[in-house]
Amino acid sequence: AQTVTQSQPEMSVQEAETVTLSCTYDTSESDYYLFWYKQPPSRQMILVIRQEAYKQQNATENRFSVNFQKAAKSFSLKISDSQLGDAAMYFCAYRGFTGTASKLTFGTGTRLQVTL
Amino acid sequence: NAGVTQTPKFQVLKTGQSMTLQCAQDMNHEYMSWYRQDPGMGLRLIHYSVGAGITDQGEVPNGYNVSRSTTEDFPLRLLSAAPSQTSVYFCASRKGQGDGYTFGSGTRLTVV
Repeated sequence: AQTVTQSQPEMSVQEAETVTLSCTYDTSESDYYLFWYKQPPSRQMILVIRQEAYKQQNATENRFSVNFQKAAKSFSLKISDSQLGDAAMYFCAYRGFTGTASKLTFGTGTRLQVTL
Repeated sequence: NAGVTQTPKFQVLKTGQSMTLQCAQDMNHEYMSWYRQDPGMGLRLIHYSVGAGITDQGEVPNGYNVSRSTTEDFPLRLLSAAPSQTSVYFCASRKGQGDGYTFGSGTRLTVV
């Protein structure tokens, strides 16, 4: 079974600084997708960024980028120029291609605080 | 385009009562899922559907039923509510293989 581990329950970053959230996963599949979701206090789950495992190039979305290390099964999220609105829970998630294609497996989340 | 709509947003049930959490999407998505979110445990899959008429169990299906009679709707039924079902429930949908899931705004359910 696939597992996703987020080892940082809480992180803090100053406004305008850069922070990296860690995620590791375990799978026996060769093709899969990885996602980062943001959950602000409003409770809404918002897709931040996604990565296809068969693509070597790291995904980027404006101030958000990932460091995808397939051999190490690592998928970290880097937030540049942090803003107060980035404060939220961040969840890493895995989805397979075939047998597990309909299932998102989530990590337990990292709470990000942004300070002035 | 409303996206994924969940109703109600909040609900309090007594132990043993039944109810249905509604989920509807207007994006013509084939894949729909129900998740529950508990403190410290992330989101866990309850049931999912890959199209109208097709459903399957997820990680924590006990105590819940689903049906998918149309592409748009995917209701989640609690047959006999228990305090262990106190949680926040999310419905999500996606179009195709490479797409991320779009989530509804969630239902906070308390069983007393």
